[in-house]
Amino acid sequence: AQRVTQPEKLLSVFKGAPVELKCNYSYSGSPELFWYVQYSRQRLQLLLRHISRESIKGFTADLNKGETSFHLKKPFAQEEDSAMYYCALNYNAGNMLTFGGGTRLMVKP
Amino acid sequence: SAVISQKPSRDICQRGTSLTIQCQVDSQVTMMFWYRQQPGQSLTLIATANQGSEATYESGFVIDKFPISRPNLTFSTLTVSNMSPEDSSIYLCALDNSLNNEQFFGPGTRLTVL
Repeated sequence: AQRVTQPEKLLSVFKGAPVELKCNYSYSGSPELFWYVQYSRQRLQLLLRHISRESIKGFTADLNKGETSFHLKKPFAQEEDSAMYYCALNYNAGNMLTFGGGTRLMVKP
Repeated sequence: SAVISQKPSRDICQRGTSLTIQCQVDSQVTMMFWYRQQPGQSLTLIATANQGSEATYESGFVIDKFPISRPNLTFSTLTVSNMSPEDSSIYLCALDNSLNNEQFFGPGTRLTVL
């Protein structure tokens, strides 16, 4: 069965420091991975997807099939990056998402 | 992206009662999903709601406990039946952007069962 693991429940960094939120997955099929973000008092929304290989708000994530990882990175954290981040895996021919446990990022001034 | 609304936004209910949560979308969508997010937990898919057919439930969720309706392509309801405190959670509806598998989420319904 598919599984997504985010080992850190909380990550606290200072403004300007690099950030890496870890995500590992297990899935027998071809993985399609996403990062979703939930800012305080806002709904869950898509941050980025591995297929598009885009950088959103300075964040990037590279799919590493050898390590079955999809870590989210940003070189210089900003206070407004403070939020809950969820890694998600698309399965069942593209219709279903399974989520990791989430990591709360706190960026301190 | 679609506009998704949920009603109620929150509710406090007594044990043994039932609550129906509504999800309205401003455009026609084929697939809608219902998730649960228990306190301190991640999102767990309850079921997939397709118009014109029975909902498909994930392991651990049954229709008697979480009946779902999908009368048309813009609307769905989830009922939490015979509630207990363990049902206290945030319930979210979502829709699938079939073009790129992105899911859009509603604002959620925060349910507290006393």
